[in-house]
Amino acid sequence: EAQVTQNPRYLITVTGKKLTVTCSQNMNHEYMSWYRQDPGLGLRQIYYSMNVEVTDKGDVPEGYKVSRKEKRNFPLILESPSPNQTSLYFCASSLSYRGNYEQYFGPGTRLTVT
Amino acid sequence: EDQVTQSPEALRLQEGESSSLNCSYTVSGLRGLFWYRQDPGKGPEFLFTLYSAGEEKEKERLKATLTKKESFLHITAPKPEDSATYLCAVQADRGSTLGRLYFGRGTQLTVWP
Repeated sequence: EAQVTQNPRYLITVTGKKLTVTCSQNMNHEYMSWYRQDPGLGLRQIYYSMNVEVTDKGDVPEGYKVSRKEKRNFPLILESPSPNQTSLYFCASSLSYRGNYEQYFGPGTRLTVT
Repeated sequence: EDQVTQSPEALRLQEGESSSLNCSYTVSGLRGLFWYRQDPGKGPEFLFTLYSAGEEKEKERLKATLTKKESFLHITAPKPEDSATYLCAVQADRGSTLGRLYFGRGTQLTVWP
C-alpha cells in the first residue's frame, strides 16, 4: 500500500531533550516536506526537500533540522525542544516539485513539550 | 507576499443544503491550486488539483472551480459524512520558492441530518 508513515504518533517530552520524528514513504517520491498545524494558524511548512541531499527552509524553520540522505526517509530533528514547539506535525511527499503534483500526507505526530 | 485566504471559517449545513466554500489567493504566477479534506486528528487527504483559470473538476458531491484570483469548492446535496475541514493550498510558479506550498486556514464544514 502506497503510504507515508510517521513515528512516533504521539510524544510527550521535556524542554531541551533532543528528539527525532521519522518519516518514510514507499512511493519513490522525489519531494518531501514537514508541516506543523496549530489551532487558528493552519498548516505551516517547516522544511522541504526536492531530492536527496537537497533541503530548504519553509515558513517556520527555527528550532528544527532535517536531513535527506535517502530518497524514502526525511527525519525531523528537534535539537532542543521548547514548549512553543508543541504542535501536530505532518510529513508529506509528492512525485516531484517540478510539476504540480499533489502531496500525500502522513497520519501526523502529536508532540507535547513540557 | 503569497497568501491564501479561505472563507467562511466555519459552515453549518443541513443535509441536502448545497453551498460553496471560497479560497482566494495572491501569488505571482500560479503553478497549481490544491483542495484537501481533513478529518479531526488525521492527515489531509487530497481531493483536487486545478492548474488554470476556467478549469473545473468533480468528485461525487464536490466540484472545484478556479478563476484568476479564487477557487470555489461547491458541495451539492451534502451528507453528514462530508463533515470535515476543507483546506486550500497554492504552489507558486517561481524558481526561488518552487517547492513551497501555502495553505489557507481551512473551512470547517458541519453537515447535520
